[in-house]
Amino acid sequence: GAGVSQTPSNKVTEKGKYVELRCDPISGHTALYWYRQSLGQGPEFLIYFQGTGAADDSGLPNDRFFAVRPEGSVSTLKIQRTERGDSAVYLCASSLTPRGTDTQYFGPGTRLTVL
Amino acid sequence: GDSVTQMEGPVTLSEEAFLTINCTYTATGYPSLFWYVQYPGEGLQLLLKATKADDKGGNKGFEATYRKETTSFHLEKGSVQVSDSAVYFCALSPNNNDMRFGAGTRLTVKP
Repeated sequence: GAGVSQTPSNKVTEKGKYVELRCDPISGHTALYWYRQSLGQGPEFLIYFQGTGAADDSGLPNDRFFAVRPEGSVSTLKIQRTERGDSAVYLCASSLTPRGTDTQYFGPGTRLTVL
Repeated sequence: GDSVTQMEGPVTLSEEAFLTINCTYTATGYPSLFWYVQYPGEGLQLLLKATKADDKGGNKGFEATYRKETTSFHLEKGSVQVSDSAVYFCALSPNNNDMRFGAGTRLTVKP
C-alpha cells in the first residue's frame, strides 16, 4: 500500500512569508506526528495527533507554528512569519495507534528553505 | 527528560568488517527502542526495534539487544556491505507519542 506522502518536496520562501506543509498518512493510521530535522541532526519532535486532536504539541518552538488535522487523516503544518532559522527538513510520520510499541512510518519530508 | 545518546561518527569500515554503533538511553519508564536508517537520498526507514528488556531486534543482518542493566541498545552487524552505507539513528519512544532520536551516525563502507 501507499506510504506516508508529503507535499511539496521542496519549498523555498522569503523571510516573513507564510507556508503550509502537507502530510498524507498511511490509510487507517490514527496517530500522526510532525518532526523537524536540521542538517546533521536527528529528527526533533514537534507535535502529535491522535485522530483530529493535537494530543501533544509541546515540541512546537513558538506560536508561529501551528498544525491541524481536521478530518483525522491529512495534516497541515503551518508556519507564519517564517525566519531563516526555520530552514530544515520537516518530516511527517504515522502509526496505527499512538502506543510506543507501534512503528512510526516516515514520509520523505519537505525541505524548507527560508531566504 | 527521556533521551538517547549515540556514538558520534563518521564511521568508515572496509567491506566484511564488524560493525558496532553504540547507543545508550535515559528514561524514567520502560520505553521501546528503535534503530532507523536513512540511505542516501531516501527517507527514514525502521531497521529494527525492541519493546522490552532483553528483547533482541534484528533485520538485514543487523541486531540490537535491549539491555536494561546498562541502558543500552547497541547496533551490531557481523559483516558490513557497501550497500549498508547510510546514516543510522537510535531512538526511543516513551509509553506513547513522540519519538526521541539521537544525532545519527554516518557509516561509510568501502569495497
